[in-house]
Amino acid sequence: AQSVAQPEDQVNVAEGNPLTVKCTYSVSGNPYLFWYVQYPNRGLQFLLKYITGDNLVKGSYGFEAEFNKSQTSFHLKKPSALVSDSALYFCAVRAFIPGAGSYQLTFGKGTKLSVIP
Amino acid sequence: GAVVSQHPSRVICKSGTSVKIECRSLDFQATTMFWYRQFPKKSLMLMATSNEGSKATYEQGVEKDKFLINHASLTLSTLTVTSAHPEDSSFYICSARGLAGGPVNDEQFFGPGTRLTVL
Repeated sequence: AQSVAQPEDQVNVAEGNPLTVKCTYSVSGNPYLFWYVQYPNRGLQFLLKYITGDNLVKGSYGFEAEFNKSQTSFHLKKPSALVSDSALYFCAVRAFIPGAGSYQLTFGKGTKLSVIP
Repeated sequence: GAVVSQHPSRVICKSGTSVKIECRSLDFQATTMFWYRQFPKKSLMLMATSNEGSKATYEQGVEKDKFLINHASLTLSTLTVTSAHPEDSSFYICSARGLAGGPVNDEQFFGPGTRLTVL
């Protein structure tokens, strides 16, 4: 069965510093990987995805993620954090679920990012 | 980008009443819609997957008679919480996936969520 691990419940970073939010995954076959951001009392907003191609994926709001097949990781990064980046971040993997007969997203538990002014 | 709307955004109801939440894909057709439940400071829990015109597939532990899902068209799915109780209070998020080969391909997009509070 597929799974996603986000080992950090919370990440604190000073404004202007680089940030990393960690994610590792387990899935059969080639992984389709996603990062979403959630602001309080809001739904999920898509940040970026990896399907194939370059291991470094660039997404919205200056975020990027690096796919590492050998380490089964897909860490989210940003060179310079903004206070407005403070939110809940979810990593997800898409896999085909035979019982459901369709693809489903499996989410990590989320990491709360706090950017300190 | 593709937009998914949910209505209402927030609802407060009395215990024992039923509440209906609508999920619409505004600018694309969605053959598959998903309903998630999110507890405070927790991840999203998939409740059910619904395909247009067929019965929803519920995840283990989700009561199908309590959480009624209807997916009557390619742009609308509804979740009805029947005989709601305080423990049903939660944040419910829907998601819609486009048709493969369509304008948004088979990407999955999320609604803004509905905060349900049962008194």
